[in-house]
Order: sequence, then C-alpha cells, then structure tokens
Amino acid sequence: GAVVSQHPSRVICKSGTSVKIECRSLDFQATTMFWYRQFPKQSLMLMATSNEGSKATYEQGVEKDKFLINHASLTLSTLTVTSAHPEDSSFYICSAREGGPSSYNEQFFGPGTRLTVL
Amino acid sequence: DQQVKQNSPSLSVQEGRISILNCDYTNSMFDYFLWYKKYPAEGPTFLISISSIKDKNEDGRFTVFLNKSAKHLSLHIVPSQPGDSAVYFCAASDAQGAQKLVFGQGTRLTINP
Repeated sequence: GAVVSQHPSRVICKSGTSVKIECRSLDFQATTMFWYRQFPKQSLMLMATSNEGSKATYEQGVEKDKFLINHASLTLSTLTVTSAHPEDSSFYICSAREGGPSSYNEQFFGPGTRLTVL
Repeated sequence: DQQVKQNSPSLSVQEGRISILNCDYTNSMFDYFLWYKKYPAEGPTFLISISSIKDKNEDGRFTVFLNKSAKHLSLHIVPSQPGDSAVYFCAASDAQGAQKLVFGQGTRLTINP
C-alpha cells in the first residue's frame, strides 16, 4: 500500500514557540492532504483539507492563523503550530490521497506526531 | 454534534470467537463508510469499507454490514485473533464533502487468549 510519513514523530517545545510538522507521500502524488488531531481517548478530528497549490480549507473552530498549512508540492504538506500553548498538546495525524475533490480515492494515514507544549 | 458514534468504548472477546463492533451515524448524506484499526502512537490503518449501495462487504476474516434505514453499521471479525487487539474507528464520508472523513470515538478491542 501507499506510504505516508510524518516528521518529527514527537516534539516537545516551550510555550510561545512555533513547531512545524511535515507530511510526505512517499510513493504517490498526493493531490489532497488532510490534517487531523486526536486528544487522548477521543476521536480523530479533521482540522483542515489542503489541495496542492491552493489555500487550505479549515474546519469550523480551527484557527487558520494559528495552524498554518502549506501544500506546496504533490508530495509534501506542512502544518505549523504558531505560538504554541499547552492546550495545543495533542497527537497530529496527516493523511493523503490521489485525485482531486471530485474523485474518491482511499486516504493513507501517516504515523502521527506527538506534540507536547511545556 | 457527534455525527458518527461508537457507543462501546471497549470490548473484550475470547480468541477464536466473533468480535462485533458497532457504529451509528446521523447524517443521511453519508454514502461511504470505512473501518480503521489503530495502535497507540500510530496512524490509522484501513481495514475495510462499504458503499451505501451495498449492505455487506467481506474481506477475509472481516465483514462490514450496513443498515441504511437504521443508520447503523457493524464490523464482524471472525475468528478473532490476539493480533486484532487495537482501537477500531469507523468513519463516514459523503460525495459532496470532498471525501472528508468523520470519525467515531473508537472502540478498544481486546482479544483474550
């Protein structure tokens, strides 16, 4: 199956700093990438959808200025948590799929990034 | 509002027996349903899916049943194996929503030897 990687796998940072998380599709071109966050013992909540070369679409309640998403190439999307605070500590997971919004293709998930903000 | 619900946070099953995980949804626009398996600190792994035009899909030990009138789906695993122990998420999407997935809360399945 298709492989999606995330880097770093875990990061600890101080409050107020910014953290960048990378999501890469290793063996396919990901036209669309999704970013999720998961709090302990809770569901995966979609944060935003990004299509290569265009601005990300954020879900209701997600601050776009705080969670900056860039999808500059067909194999890389980045999520930057700006001015991180302890409440941003969570497990962030990306997924990627081929094809545009009008096609249905399986999403492949990355292994996730554990962010801890002190 | 929780559009996809997994009301059982945990389930314990004897090895060799059948595991049945349940999922309910509220949005009638959902037309595609998926089950994912997830281990701690890892991303979800796709297991099996079903389109709303079907009521059953089978893949090896895994079978998903869809009851559209009840807005209910279930995943059957038979026979259950210790390696099946994980958290199982059901997810749903609709063709109009750019295939965004809405996940349930997950059910932790434990298979006892």
